[in-house]
Amino acid sequence: EADIYQTPRYLVIGTGKKITLECSQTMGHDKMYWYQQDPGMELHLIHYSYGVNSTEKGDLSSESTVSRIRTEHFPLTLESARPSHTSQYLCASSGTGTGEYEQYFGPGTRLTVT
Amino acid sequence: GQQVMQIPQYQHVQEGEDFTTYCNSSTTLSNIQWYKQRPGGHPVFLIQLVKSGEVKKQKRLTFQFGEAKKNSSLHITATQTTDVGTYFCAGRSYGGSQGNLIFGKGTKLSVKP
Repeated sequence: EADIYQTPRYLVIGTGKKITLECSQTMGHDKMYWYQQDPGMELHLIHYSYGVNSTEKGDLSSESTVSRIRTEHFPLTLESARPSHTSQYLCASSGTGTGEYEQYFGPGTRLTVT
Repeated sequence: GQQVMQIPQYQHVQEGEDFTTYCNSSTTLSNIQWYKQRPGGHPVFLIQLVKSGEVKKQKRLTFQFGEAKKNSSLHITATQTTDVGTYFCAGRSYGGSQGNLIFGKGTKLSVKP
């Protein structure tokens, strides 16, 4: 089983609050990703990173921001949460160097904005 | 932009029946990956196909990559209740961004015992 962790697992928060979703991996992977997934639906890539100090926006426009100051840590921040942000957020990482590697997913954070 | 279409969206089978999900890309893919997500869980990597016409097997699961590298399929022989979940294909086109693995919408499989 992959060592990738997400906290919190569940979060219920009011509109307008600032939140940070944590993601950490202990595999030394260069590449990390954030996906948004509504229940039973497809995965949408919202952010990714090739390595430290590298971040890119994904296919789905998102009001969130990310940072990659350390290899193992890739937090996602929402400055002002809205009900439309209610979803599951999945963090993933993949192997070191060039080439195509499988993605290891964390357990996800289920966010509800009231 | 690149699109990965996956059909069917849902499949209900009787235990013991076979199941197939199909994945089609609008562009040629450098590789395709398959993932399984159990209800309430997170996607778990199953396999990667790289070569044109490649076929790989994992017990009752058979994965194929088309000759043109634009389509792929996953076939499960004699389904079991443990096969329940959503199966996603995910591909990256040649020249695509390193981080931009495009997922299909998934096929949700339910198995009636």
